[in-house]
Amino acid sequence: GNSVTQMEGPVTLSEEAFLTINCTYTATGYPSLFWYVQYPGEGLQLLLKATKADDKGSNKGFEATYRKETTSFHLEKGSVQVSDSAVYFCAVDSGGGADGLTFGKGTHLIIQP
Amino acid sequence: GAVVSQHPSWVICKSGTSVKIECRSLDFQATTMFWYRQFPKQSLMLMATSNEGSKATYEQGVEKDKFLINHASLTLSTLTVTSAHPEDSSFYICSATGHASTDTQYFGPGTRLTVL
Repeated sequence: GNSVTQMEGPVTLSEEAFLTINCTYTATGYPSLFWYVQYPGEGLQLLLKATKADDKGSNKGFEATYRKETTSFHLEKGSVQVSDSAVYFCAVDSGGGADGLTFGKGTHLIIQP
Repeated sequence: GAVVSQHPSWVICKSGTSVKIECRSLDFQATTMFWYRQFPKQSLMLMATSNEGSKATYEQGVEKDKFLINHASLTLSTLTVTSAHPEDSSFYICSATGHASTDTQYFGPGTRLTVL
């Protein structure tokens, strides 16, 4: 089955710091890759996605590139804000939407002013 | 667009009772709905996948007689936790995919179940 490994937090950074959250996966076929974000007290929201190798997903200043050769989908942001504090989940789907997502354990990000 | 709601947002029940959780896609028709369970400070674990009008497919280790899933329409799926016990206390989250983007799941806000 699929699996996702991501760095566990909490990760604490100062405002305007550079962010990297590592994510690697194992999956069959040609999976789609996702980053979801969960703000305090809210449900999961899709942050970005990539559906094929070398695709770059981006949203709200966050980016992640689908690296098939290293089976990775690391999340990056050049300058984080306090409002980025949340839990970030990396996920993989190799069923084309017909199967559920396999999630990593989540990374709790804390941004200090 | 692509809003998914859940009701109730939280529920407390006595051990041995049954609890029903609703999941609705508000502005799109959901071809598939998924139910996940999230333990504190842990990841989401897929419980089952359901398509409208057909029986749900349960993940290994999930008791289908305990977690009853009904997907009666393209906008509504329900999860019923039967004869609930304290170990069923958890955060239950549903998601849905639609025709427009079948590989993107839209998540509900979750339901916190506490069994006393």
